[in-house]
Amino acid sequence: QLQLQESGSGLVKPSQTLSLTCAVSGGSVTGGGSSWGWIRQPPGKGLEWIGYIYPGGFAYYNPSLKSRVTISVDRSKAYFSLNMTSLTAADTAVYYCARALGVALDYWGQGALVTVSS
Amino acid sequence: QLVLTQSPSASASLGASVKLTCTLSSGHSTYAVAWHQQLPQKGPRYLMKVNSDGSHIKGDGVPSRFSGSSSGAERYLTISSLQSEDEADYYCQTWGTGIWVFGGGTKVTVL
Repeated sequence: QLQLQESGSGLVKPSQTLSLTCAVSGGSVTGGGSSWGWIRQPPGKGLEWIGYIYPGGFAYYNPSLKSRVTISVDRSKAYFSLNMTSLTAADTAVYYCARALGVALDYWGQGALVTVSS
Repeated sequence: QLVLTQSPSASASLGASVKLTCTLSSGHSTYAVAWHQQLPQKGPRYLMKVNSDGSHIKGDGVPSRFSGSSSGAERYLTISSLQSEDEADYYCQTWGTGIWVFGGGTKVTVL
């Protein structure tokens, strides 16, 4: 059974950079037809797509976040990562990693709370 | 522009059925959608993918009381024999060229 687990900085100061990693176990990030991405959920709000990456390394980003976000994948170590720069309080959210197989996001991580505060 | 529209809330009595609707924006009526359940204070869980022809593919361990269907640009999630543990937020989601899209979510209350 595929499992995804987020890890990384939980408290980040304004203007600094967020770094999160999603470890993939029980499967491979190189699987055909798959993509790997990040979604966030501000407190009390809905889900917002951040971006996703294919195993070959090509990535797509939410246009509203594109200038601040980088997603990368390490196929040999079975994880993918999110970097987001210039954080503000509006970036406070639970951050989820997920796998997409075709249309559907079929596996999710449990989420990592990121708080932006001085 | 690819947009998914959901009603903010729905409710039904314990043991009854509730049907949630996800509407695809104009020009996107052939798209499949996925449904996800988010229990209070938990992360989302994949329930199923619903195709434009109404066929659906469930995720691992999803109870049989959850089913999917389609009509035109609408994709449905029906929960039969509603249980107290079904009280949650339900999100539909789809994929376009270079984007993932989420609906705003429907909060289901079990009366």
